[in-house]
Amino acid sequence: AQTVTQSQPEMSVQEAETVTLSCTYDTSESDYYLFWYKQPPSRQMILVIRQEAYKQQNATENRFSVNFQKAAKSFSLKISDSQLGDAAMYFCGSGTYKYIFGTGTRLKVLA
Amino acid sequence: NAGVTQTPKFQVLKTGQSMTLQCAQDMNHNSMYWYRQDPGMGLRLIYYSASEGTTDKGEVPNGYNVSRLNKREFSLRLESAAPSQTSVYFCASRRQRQESNQPQHFGDGTRLSIL
Repeated sequence: AQTVTQSQPEMSVQEAETVTLSCTYDTSESDYYLFWYKQPPSRQMILVIRQEAYKQQNATENRFSVNFQKAAKSFSLKISDSQLGDAAMYFCGSGTYKYIFGTGTRLKVLA
Repeated sequence: NAGVTQTPKFQVLKTGQSMTLQCAQDMNHNSMYWYRQDPGMGLRLIYYSASEGTTDKGEVPNGYNVSRLNKREFSLRLESAAPSQTSVYFCASRRQRQESNQPQHFGDGTRLSIL
């Protein structure tokens, strides 16, 4: 069965510090994609970063980067130089045609 | 503005009533999705349509039906609403798998309350 697990319901980080959000997944597909989405209180779903499973190089987008460990089926998100605007729910997702998400991690950024 | 449009944005139903949530995208995407979001449960896939003319069950399909009316539109129907279906519903779309790692684009959601 296809699953995505986010084991951290809530995380806190001090402004300007670095935080890592965990995500593990399971799939029988050989070719799949992985995503992190951010959901602020506005409820809008905003793409943060994406990774193709066939690429070994970890994706980066400005202050956001991933640590993709394919053998361990792990896809963690690192946020560097955290800003107050980073406070939101973060969802990890995986799929090929069928895309599923984890239960989310609420990130609080402390001033 | 281009994107995914969901209607209505809010709806209150009584138990047993029926309702269709509408979703339309103008990005010429092939795949479309319906999710529900509940506190502590994240986004759970209800149904998806990989391409026009096909639909498949997701993680929580019971109590729902879908119709891929054409390439643009993908509707979600509750035939006999139950309080357990109170949720925020999101529609999403994306290009085909062959077109690289295109992400899903989400609508703004429909908040549905069933009394």
